[in-house]
Amino acid sequence: GAVVSQHPSWVICKSGTSVKIECRSLDFQATTMFWYRQFPKQSLMLMATSNEGSKATYEQGVEKDKFLINHASLTLSTLTVTSAHPEDSSFYICSARDNRVGNQPQHFGDGTRLSIL
Amino acid sequence: AQSVTQLDSHVSVSEGTPVLLRCNYSSSYSPSLFWYVQHPNKGLQLLLKYTSAATLVKGINGFEAEFKKSETSFHLTKPSAHMSDAAEYFCVVLSNTGNQFYFGTGTSLTVIP
Repeated sequence: GAVVSQHPSWVICKSGTSVKIECRSLDFQATTMFWYRQFPKQSLMLMATSNEGSKATYEQGVEKDKFLINHASLTLSTLTVTSAHPEDSSFYICSARDNRVGNQPQHFGDGTRLSIL
Repeated sequence: AQSVTQLDSHVSVSEGTPVLLRCNYSSSYSPSLFWYVQHPNKGLQLLLKYTSAATLVKGINGFEAEFKKSETSFHLTKPSAHMSDAAEYFCVVLSNTGNQFYFGTGTSLTVIP
């Protein structure tokens, strides 16, 4: 089945550091990628939707300058958490789908646990 | 607007007994519905999907779900629970534009040995 690779799986860094998370679709072309944030024992919160070659669409309350999203190719999207602070610590999950085929599900990466000291 | 409601935040079953995880949807059109499973510290894995074909959908790991329009439900079932089924389960509906997914709040399944 479709595979989405997310890297790194876990990162610990100091406050003020910028962290980049990569999301790759390995065996299909991802016209759309989604970035989610998940707090412990809660559902996924959609942060932004990105279409290949276009600017990402951010959900209300998500800071565009804080969470930079790039979707430059059909197989790669990146999320950069700029100047991360402890409150940014969370589990971040990406997903990808090929919008050109109807009713396709999202395929999820394994997530990135971000811990800011 | 589309939405899904997962009626139980937590379900406990004994190993070998049936599993029922409930999901009701709200949609003004014929929806596409999905069930995902999430194990601890992992992403979500697709269990099955309904896209207006057969109303009884079979998924992986012995799970299946039945789409019932009259009840606006899409409950997930499995005849016999295994310990490895313990996880978080999410019911998801696809928007009518085909580009946005709406997640339920999740149901945590515990399997008792």
